[in-house]
Amino acid sequence: DQQVKQNSPSLSVQEGRISILNCDYTNSMFDYFLWYKKYPAEGPTFLISISSIKDKNEDGRFTVFLNKSAKHLSLHIVPSQPGDSAVYFCAASANNAGNMLTFGGGTRLMVKP
Amino acid sequence: GAGVSQTPSNKVTEKGKYVELRCDPISGHTALYWYRQSLGQGPEFLIYFQGTGAADDSGLPNDRFFAVRPEGSVSTLKIQRTERGDSAMYLCASSPGTDHSPLHFGNGTRLTVT
Repeated sequence: DQQVKQNSPSLSVQEGRISILNCDYTNSMFDYFLWYKKYPAEGPTFLISISSIKDKNEDGRFTVFLNKSAKHLSLHIVPSQPGDSAVYFCAASANNAGNMLTFGGGTRLMVKP
Repeated sequence: GAGVSQTPSNKVTEKGKYVELRCDPISGHTALYWYRQSLGQGPEFLIYFQGTGAADDSGLPNDRFFAVRPEGSVSTLKIQRTERGDSAMYLCASSPGTDHSPLHFGNGTRLTVT
């Protein structure tokens, strides 16, 4: 049973436009959420995180939104750049589980010049 | 500065053989994690260490898998009697502590069992 789901395996966006990546979770014990980005042949790199006490966190072009009632979070990238093309993983953990993360299956983002 | 280093980057072994995968974490990071990523899926938690001790090994799939971190730095993931289903990317990550400090991942070891 997947506790973290990314239902879109891929997304294609034009450079300069907004990219919206979605993630749903089922475990109500999750209270910390993260997004990681992965380029081919490299390990995932941390992008942005959000605690369940917030509903929005912003860092430059990246914003994560959390809707606890819907158990849904999203990552917005604006404006999108070709260098953003990568696989994006949503991850979640419970407060007492530190970095024992549960990952979604990933969404491949392609930003076209 | 040096990141998390994993060796080898690729390992091909025959079914039934024993393999060891090595991870050198970022210097000073006390927490070390092993994850496994199968093709088309996200990473799955295997085990984590705080210092020398395995704080949680609930993700290890069975007793063929074992990991050690004897001096609180380098860690080795050991797989006995490998099976074709063990083929995956094995990722190691470290962080300064056991809170929500972001994980720093290595580039992984691609294990292929033939």
